[in-house]
Amino acid sequence: DGGITQSPKYLFRKEGQNVTLSCEQNLNHDAMYWYRQDPGQGLRLIYYSQIVNDFQKGDIAEGYSVSREKKESFPLTVTSAQKNPTAFYLCASWTGQGNQPQHFGDGTRLSIL
Amino acid sequence: AQTVTQSQPEMSVQEAETVTLSCTYDTSESDYYLFWYKQPPSRQMILVIRQEAYKQQNATENRFSVNFQKAAKSFSLKISDSQLGDAAMYFCAYRSPFWIQGAQKLVFGQGTRLTINP
Repeated sequence: DGGITQSPKYLFRKEGQNVTLSCEQNLNHDAMYWYRQDPGQGLRLIYYSQIVNDFQKGDIAEGYSVSREKKESFPLTVTSAQKNPTAFYLCASWTGQGNQPQHFGDGTRLSIL
Repeated sequence: AQTVTQSQPEMSVQEAETVTLSCTYDTSESDYYLFWYKQPPSRQMILVIRQEAYKQQNATENRFSVNFQKAAKSFSLKISDSQLGDAAMYFCAYRSPFWIQGAQKLVFGQGTRLTINP
C-alpha cells in the first residue's frame, strides 16, 4: 500500500546537536510538508515543497532546514539554533489537486536529553 | 489571509448520542475546499470528511456528516451514534482554490478535543 513513512518514531537530541527526521512517500505526490505540533495544540507549518529542488518557509522555519533532492524524500533537520525543539513532528504529502486531502505520516516525537 | 476558527476547545458526549463540532472560516473566495481530520491518541492524522464549496449537498461518510453553510462560512461536523473510538482531537482545515497564492497549504483550526463517555 502507498503511504508516508516517518522515521524514527522517537528521537532524542543532546544540547547543541543537529538531528534529521526522515520522511519518505511512495504516493507519487508532488508536494510535501513538515508540521510541528506541541502538546494539546494545533499544527504549525515549518517548511513545504511543491517540486524537487524547491521549498518554501512556512510559519515557523527558524531553526529548521530541509532538502528535496528526490520526489519521494523530504528530510527535516532540526538545528542547534532551534532552542525549543521538543515536539511532535508530522510529515504530509499532497497530489496537487484541490479536492484531495493531505496525507500524513505517523509522526516523530523529538525530545531533548 | 484565510483563518479557521474552532470555538470549542473541548466537547464531550455520551456513547451512542450525537455531537456537533463547530468550525467557521474567513475567506473572500467563492470556491475552496474544506476538510475535517481526526487525531486519536496515537496521533495519526486521519481524514474524516471533505467538502467542495461549489457543491451544495452536504458531504456524508457513514456516521459522519457536515452542515456546510456557505453564506455563514460555517462547516460543522456531526457525529451520530458516537463510539468510544471516536474520542480524538478533531481539526477543521481550509484550502484556497488553485489560482490563489498559498493554495498549496492547508489552514488548520486549533482543534476540538472530543471525549466519549461510556
